[in-house]
Amino acid sequence: DVKVTQSSRYLVKRTGEKVFLECVQDMDHENMFWYRQDPGLGLRLIYFSYDVKMKEKGDIPEGYSVSREKKERFSLILESASTNQTSMYLCASTYADRENYGYTFGSGTRLTVV
Amino acid sequence: KNQVEQSPQSLIILEGKNCTLQCNYTVSPFSNLRWYKQDTGRGPVSLTIMTFSENTKSNGRYTATLDADTKQSSLHITASQLSDSASYICVVSVTHDMRFGAGTRLTVKP
Repeated sequence: DVKVTQSSRYLVKRTGEKVFLECVQDMDHENMFWYRQDPGLGLRLIYFSYDVKMKEKGDIPEGYSVSREKKERFSLILESASTNQTSMYLCASTYADRENYGYTFGSGTRLTVV
Repeated sequence: KNQVEQSPQSLIILEGKNCTLQCNYTVSPFSNLRWYKQDTGRGPVSLTIMTFSENTKSNGRYTATLDADTKQSSLHITASQLSDSASYICVVSVTHDMRFGAGTRLTVKP
């Protein structure tokens, strides 16, 4: 069974902390994505990566950065967490021809910044 | 304005009843349309996928329809079960991109 694994289901962090969210996939997918999901807004793309060491900004990259040192791992970094970054974060991956294969999602990380 | 609009935003039905969720989209060029089910606290899981040439696709008690001319899709759930309680997200693929609806939150009550 294919998997996208997010390292934490729940996280509580303090304002100003540096936060790392980790995502690992075992499907040899080229593309990986980070979304945040807020009520009434749906999924919004933060960053994506189509290859190792490559990254592209999504719709809402401000306050975030990413790292992809290995094909299977894509990390989302909150440089200085703020309360407005409290959200559900979803990692997804897919093959390069993504419109034909769709996404496989992780279980999500619910981050609370206090 | 979101290019993929879902309605209703939330819905409550009794166990055993049927329901229909709607998705209207304006994005183009269209590649395919997917419906995902997202249980509370989990990531979305794909239910159905339809290409431009398909107008209906079933997955057990879930039946999705697509009218590419009017850019509308629906997800019909028959004989609902408590386990159908979840958010249902419509996702439209365009060339090298995907657009997500905000989802419909379905609650099935006993």
